[in-house]
Amino acid sequence: GAGVSQTPSNKVTEKGKYVELRCDPISGHTALYWYRQSLGQGPEFLIYFQGTGAADDSGLPNDRFFAVRPEGSVSTLKIQRTERGDSAVYLCASSQGLAGYNEQFFGPGTRLTVL
Amino acid sequence: AQSVTQPDIHITVSEGASLELRCNYSYGATPYLFWYVQSPGQGLQLLLKYFSGDTLVQGIKGFEAEFKRSQSSFNLRKPSVHWSDAAEYFCAGLSGGSNYKLTFGKGTLLTVNP
Repeated sequence: GAGVSQTPSNKVTEKGKYVELRCDPISGHTALYWYRQSLGQGPEFLIYFQGTGAADDSGLPNDRFFAVRPEGSVSTLKIQRTERGDSAVYLCASSQGLAGYNEQFFGPGTRLTVL
Repeated sequence: AQSVTQPDIHITVSEGASLELRCNYSYGATPYLFWYVQSPGQGLQLLLKYFSGDTLVQGIKGFEAEFKRSQSSFNLRKPSVHWSDAAEYFCAGLSGGSNYKLTFGKGTLLTVNP
């Protein structure tokens, strides 16, 4: 079946602009995660959802970052007033539920470049 | 603080040679441990995982890893490397309980020489 998909694959924006990154999880997966991978680093946790609710948003770096999942499926990561330091690959993952033994399946990522 | 460390940033091996990628963890209790592979333009793919039980874990693509509590390590091994194994490898941990956040190491880039 289809895996996790993310759109756009690449996004170039100017400092100060607003961006939205979309994630389509695997059908039937109730848990959804966002990670950010900076150049030369491993992915870092941002937020995860169980259903429609954000179960843990402790990784969001500041209040410019916000994520929603209104119907418990597709999620959108929103970044306001982008800064050059926001440039990174944003990864989305989904799993069958919130449990440590449930594999997190990753999408290909959205590469965000802030000029 | 919970952490995962990959001491080697870049490793080069010849095709057909054996491979060992190092991973050390720091957790209060035994974590769930994972190895992922990331090829250019591809998403992270899970190679194998350890939760409990047998400390030698078999994964996909001929990889295995051994959990060693005394050394706080979870090293990835492959007896004979293929050119297609060239990629970046990430070790990750998850503390369990009600915490579902993966903590990743910085990754090890594997180059395979013909």
